Amino acid sequence: DTEVTQTPKHLVMGMTNKKSLKCEQHMGHRAMYWYKQKAKKPPELMFVYSYEKLSINESVPSRFSPECPNSSLLNLHLHALQPEDSALYLCASSQVRGSSTEAFFGQGTRLTVV
Amino acid sequence: GENVEQHPSTLSVQEGDSAVIKCTYSDSASNYFPWYKQELGKRPQLIIDIRSNVGEKKDQRIAVTLNKTAKHFSLHITETQPEDSAVYFCAAFPHLWADKLIFGTGTRLQVFP
Repeated sequence: DTEVTQTPKHLVMGMTNKKSLKCEQHMGHRAMYWYKQKAKKPPELMFVYSYEKLSINESVPSRFSPECPNSSLLNLHLHALQPEDSALYLCASSQVRGSSTEAFFGQGTRLTVV
Repeated sequence: GENVEQHPSTLSVQEGDSAVIKCTYSDSASNYFPWYKQELGKRPQLIIDIRSNVGEKKDQRIAVTLNKTAKHFSLHITETQPEDSAVYFCAAFPHLWADKLIFGTGTRLQVFP
């Protein structure tokens, strides 16, 4: 199984809503990532979890709150977002540095903040 | 931190021609360089990668070259086909101990029949 599964695929939320994005992988990868991608731009790193611990936070606003409940799951909790946060949110996973560092991406959640 | 530059931003070729995309990186500690292809509305997918102990790698019509001294690497696609049309991103892992993939700005490749 080389799949990274993200839910939901599409999400529309108001600026006062609270929602969560979910990501799951069963490849035994111990590094998981959240990326944000705006139209016609490259993916922009937000958070990295390594062995279920937050290892990198790229100065992301606190209205985005990541969580890694176990080695297979990664969540991104959203609260009080702004319209400019509308984007494609990609989850990825890879083995922590070792024999292979290929990162596998989920299909993304297209988020629209209204 | 690591900075990855990618050129050109758009590239149009005739079917059957070759396409070359170039990237430069700033952190000499980077040692892994993947290339991703992203079709419209889809996820980035790895098409080829190269590690710093290798100068060139080939997989059918796709090849990647790496010049560590100059800190640049390139993607070469030969005999292009319309289905090669997509956005291509180069990337680099900037540190040996961190799991952090930094992307280039992307190249939109259009292959005309």
